[in-house]
Amino acid sequence: AQRVTQPEKLLSVFKGAPVELKCNYSYSGSPELFWYVQYSRQRLQLLLRHISRESIKGFTADLNKGETSFHLKKPFAQEEDSAMYYCALKTSYDKVIFGPGTSLSVIP
Amino acid sequence: GAGVSQSPSNKVTEKGKDVELRCDPISGHTALYWYRQRLGQGLEFLIYFQGNSAPDKSGLPSDRFSAERTGESVSTLTIQRTQQEDSAVYLCASSLWRSDTQYFGPGTRLTVL
Repeated sequence: AQRVTQPEKLLSVFKGAPVELKCNYSYSGSPELFWYVQYSRQRLQLLLRHISRESIKGFTADLNKGETSFHLKKPFAQEEDSAMYYCALKTSYDKVIFGPGTSLSVIP
Repeated sequence: GAGVSQSPSNKVTEKGKDVELRCDPISGHTALYWYRQRLGQGLEFLIYFQGNSAPDKSGLPSDRFSAERTGESVSTLTIQRTQQEDSAVYLCASSLWRSDTQYFGPGTRLTVL
């Protein structure tokens, strides 16, 4: 079955502290993983994708096929990082499945 | 350029009525997705259109839900005989074929009284 899980519904960290948003997936094929973000009163938008191996706004995510994980990390959280974060899996048929989301709150 | 647009932005209806939600994708985007986001929940996949291929309707929750798309343009999501549990934000997204990035619309907030 194709599934994306994000175990934390809510995550609060202090400004300047490291943050890790967890994502695990279940997919028998070769996955493409993404992180999407939704800031308050804004549209859902792409944050980063695993194939690019890029760092966006200080965030990175590494695909670990052995652990079927794609955790999102940032060494020093900022207040502007407060948002809803969704992990997403794209199947070989271009269908995109989203996780339930994690609401990140960065405390000043 | 213009992004994905959805109309109406808000819709309040009475239980049992039919509603039609509209999505205008970005021009040239062959793929179009509909999602449902209930309060406090994640995004629930509903249906996926890709060019002229048969749509993937595997996420539609019941036969009261249907969607159409004319070519590579506008899509409409129709909910017949609405129920209170249909209350949610309905999001539309479009993307280029085989592209990684989905572009989302602002959503339609549906409230069924």
